[in-house]
Amino acid sequence: AQKITQTQPGMFVQEKEAVTLDCTYDTSDPSYGLFWYKQPSSGEMIFLIYQGSYDQQNATEGRYSLNFQKARKSANLVISASQLGDSAMYFCAMREGNNFNKFYFGSGTKLNVKP
Amino acid sequence: DGGITQSPKYLFRKEGQNVTLSCEQNLNHDAMYWYRQDPGQGLRLIYYSQIVNDFQKGDIAEGYSVSREKKESFPLTVTSAQKNPTAFYLCASGNSGTGYNEQFFGPGTRLTVL
Repeated sequence: AQKITQTQPGMFVQEKEAVTLDCTYDTSDPSYGLFWYKQPSSGEMIFLIYQGSYDQQNATEGRYSLNFQKARKSANLVISASQLGDSAMYFCAMREGNNFNKFYFGSGTKLNVKP
Repeated sequence: DGGITQSPKYLFRKEGQNVTLSCEQNLNHDAMYWYRQDPGQGLRLIYYSQIVNDFQKGDIAEGYSVSREKKESFPLTVTSAQKNPTAFYLCASGNSGTGYNEQFFGPGTRLTVL
């Protein structure tokens, strides 16, 4: 079974509007971490935000917030006030339990911000 | 500036040849990782190392080898046994101090087999 599922291969959003990128995960371990990365066309991976499974509040980092719904096993990324520079691939990832060195990545969502 | 460097940025190899991709970090991170990314897909873990002289296979280790003789260096060798090596390779590092809650990535090496 897929550990991380991103069902939106591509998304369009108008500049200055908010957009939600979907991510669902699969794990039976009660301890895990969820991550979002941005990959511009240049190829580097940029860390955006982290959510721990025991965190009580949803993580926020500037214009990024993570909508963590534990019962649904979803960890959607919300980008507020989209900018043209937000156009990129976005990857959801998970680190499971006691193996702090193994990360699972989803297949990504390509976001295009329209002027 | 602290960070991760990968070289070369582009690499071309003939079939049947081994090739080594370089990864160096000056972040003093304990852990280092190698990922492979194919077009339109996410990252898949090849190898990782938590400490010097120790490394573990990831999900797709066949046809690859690594070494970790120094904390700051984690080179990846793509051997001739790797059947389809053309891909984008990303190196990353992580710190035990943050519970490995963040991985820092290098700029990547794009390998093409001719």
